[in-house]
Amino acid sequence: AQTVTQSQPEMSVQEAETVTLSCTYDTSENNYYLFWYKQPPSRQMILVIRQEAYKQQNATENRFSVNFQKAAKSFSLKISDSQLGDTAMYFCAFMNRVDSSYKLIFGSGTRLLVRP
Amino acid sequence: NAGVTQTPKFRVLKTGQSMTLLCAQDMNHEYMYWYRQDPGMGLRLIHYSVGEGTTAKGEVPDGYNVSRLKKQNFLLGLESAAPSQTSVYFCASSRAAGVPFFGSGTQLSVL
Repeated sequence: AQTVTQSQPEMSVQEAETVTLSCTYDTSENNYYLFWYKQPPSRQMILVIRQEAYKQQNATENRFSVNFQKAAKSFSLKISDSQLGDTAMYFCAFMNRVDSSYKLIFGSGTRLLVRP
Repeated sequence: NAGVTQTPKFRVLKTGQSMTLLCAQDMNHEYMYWYRQDPGMGLRLIHYSVGEGTTAKGEVPDGYNVSRLKKQNFLLGLESAAPSQTSVYFCASSRAAGVPFFGSGTQLSVL
């Protein structure tokens, strides 16, 4: 079964600095999709970034970028120029095709605190 | 577009009571999912559906039932609520291999 591991329960960063959140996953599949979601105190799940495994180029969305290492099964999220509004829980998620259907599974999350 | 709408947003039950959570999406998505979120455990998949009239078990299906009679709706039922089912419940929908969109969650407390 596929698993997603986020080994950092909590992290903190100074405002305007850069922080990297780690995520590893386990799969024997070759085609899959990876996501980072942000969950602020409002509880809403907000998509941060998406990566397709067949694409070698790392996805980027403004201050958010990923380091996708397919062979190492690693998918880390880098947040540049951290802002107070980045304080939230961050979840890494994995989606692949299982028995003719797609399942989305999540890691346990990393709580990020951006300090002023 | 409302996206994914969950009702109710909050609910308190007594042990043994039953209830149904409703998820509705207006994006014509094939896939719908129910998750529960507990502290330190992320989101765990309860049940999911790949289309109208179909359902499948996820990681933690025990104690829950689901139905998808219409493409836009996915219902999660608790027949006999237990304190262990106290959690925040999220519904999501997506196209096949598409980006999942989430509802705003339901806080359920079972006393």
